[in-house]
Amino acid sequence: GNSVTQMEGPVTLSEEAFLTINCTYTATGYPSLFWYVQYPGEGLQLLLKATKADDKGSNKGFEATYRKETTSFHLEKGSVQVSDSAVYFCALTSMNYGGSQGNLIFGKGTKLSVKP
Amino acid sequence: DTAVSQTPKYLVTQMGNDKSIKCEQNLGHDTMYWYKQDSKKFLKIMFSYNNKELIINETVPNRFSPKSPDKAHLNLHINSLELGDSAVYFCASSQDYSRAAFFGQGTRLTVV
Repeated sequence: GNSVTQMEGPVTLSEEAFLTINCTYTATGYPSLFWYVQYPGEGLQLLLKATKADDKGSNKGFEATYRKETTSFHLEKGSVQVSDSAVYFCALTSMNYGGSQGNLIFGKGTKLSVKP
Repeated sequence: DTAVSQTPKYLVTQMGNDKSIKCEQNLGHDTMYWYKQDSKKFLKIMFSYNNKELIINETVPNRFSPKSPDKAHLNLHINSLELGDSAVYFCASSQDYSRAAFFGQGTRLTVV
């Protein structure tokens, strides 16, 4: 079945540090990949997405590239801010061979804390 | 306008009670979901509905039942609540598999 594995947290960084959160996946069919962010006390928001191999998703300084050869979708940001403190979820959804929509499957989440 | 709204935001209730959480989306999406988030932030899909038909039903207790009166609504009904049901429940919707899902703000359920 489909699954997503992301690095365990929490991750604590100083402001302006470089961020990488690793994400790998297993999927049948043709997955689309997503990063969602959850700020404290709020629901999940889409951060970025990629729908086919070699696509790069980007938003708010965050980037992730869909790597089919390594089944990865690592999240990166060159210079984090205190306001980036949140929980980040890698996710995928995959069209089933019958053409029906598959589940949106999430990784376990990685908590990021950025210190001033 | 809120895209996906769920009510109530907080729900405190005693063991054994029956409760419902409502969800509405105004995006015209065909698919809606319910997720459970535990204290460790792990998200588990519970149900998804496509055009009012259940298409994926994960192995959740049958005390949980989704009810969809129309394409814009997917309510979650829970019978005989247990302590272990305490969690945050999120409703979401999407148009199709390649597009993002939009999430509600969550309902924090506490069973005492």
